[in-house]
Amino acid sequence: GQQVMQIPQYQHVQEGEDFTTYCNSSTTLSNIQWYKQRPGGHPVFLIQLVKSGEVKKQKRLTFQFGEAKKNSSLHITATQTTDVGTYFCAGPRDYKLSFGAGTTVTVRA
Amino acid sequence: EPEVTQTPSHQVTQMGQEVILRCVPISNHLYFYWYRQILGQKVEFLVSFYNNEISEKSEIFDDQFSVERPDGSNFTLKIRSTKLEDSAMYFCASNFAGRSYNEQFFGPGTRLTVL
Repeated sequence: GQQVMQIPQYQHVQEGEDFTTYCNSSTTLSNIQWYKQRPGGHPVFLIQLVKSGEVKKQKRLTFQFGEAKKNSSLHITATQTTDVGTYFCAGPRDYKLSFGAGTTVTVRA
Repeated sequence: EPEVTQTPSHQVTQMGQEVILRCVPISNHLYFYWYRQILGQKVEFLVSFYNNEISEKSEIFDDQFSVERPDGSNFTLKIRSTKLEDSAMYFCASNFAGRSYNEQFFGPGTRLTVL
């Protein structure tokens, strides 16, 4: 079945630094979604990428969908304490979303 | 802004007991989902539901689980005989277009603790 893998599992970042989390699927995806889960919270949709090679930006967050539509990345610039949480990529297949294991981000001031 | 709501926020039960977790999806949404998240782990799909029937279910969703839309607003997950390993956060989600091609809106979750 479809598997979505995500690295790194943990990212400890100095405030102001950049980091990237990567997502890989075992199968070609129709689209990929990214969600953020704050500590103790629920997943909240961030963005959906549909086209091969697509790049979308949300302020300091840059999302990219690979040319083969099997991988994706999230790059955060100038990390802030508000970026703390777990970022999940999710690949849809029919009526289900397969989530990656997530990258848990902590920020040191 | 419309939200998915879930009750209770925390449920403690004894092993072997039945539990019902309740969700009220966003009112104009047509597709409903249950996910679970064991502490510190990833979000796992359990089941999707559309037009009063299950669209898809995972291998986790065995005969001990059932879902129901008893009226026009509620969507429930029943676990017939809870096991210790059922302890997790259970999230309900909904969306309008289904087939996971659009964002899913998640509720705040119910933390289930099985003793």
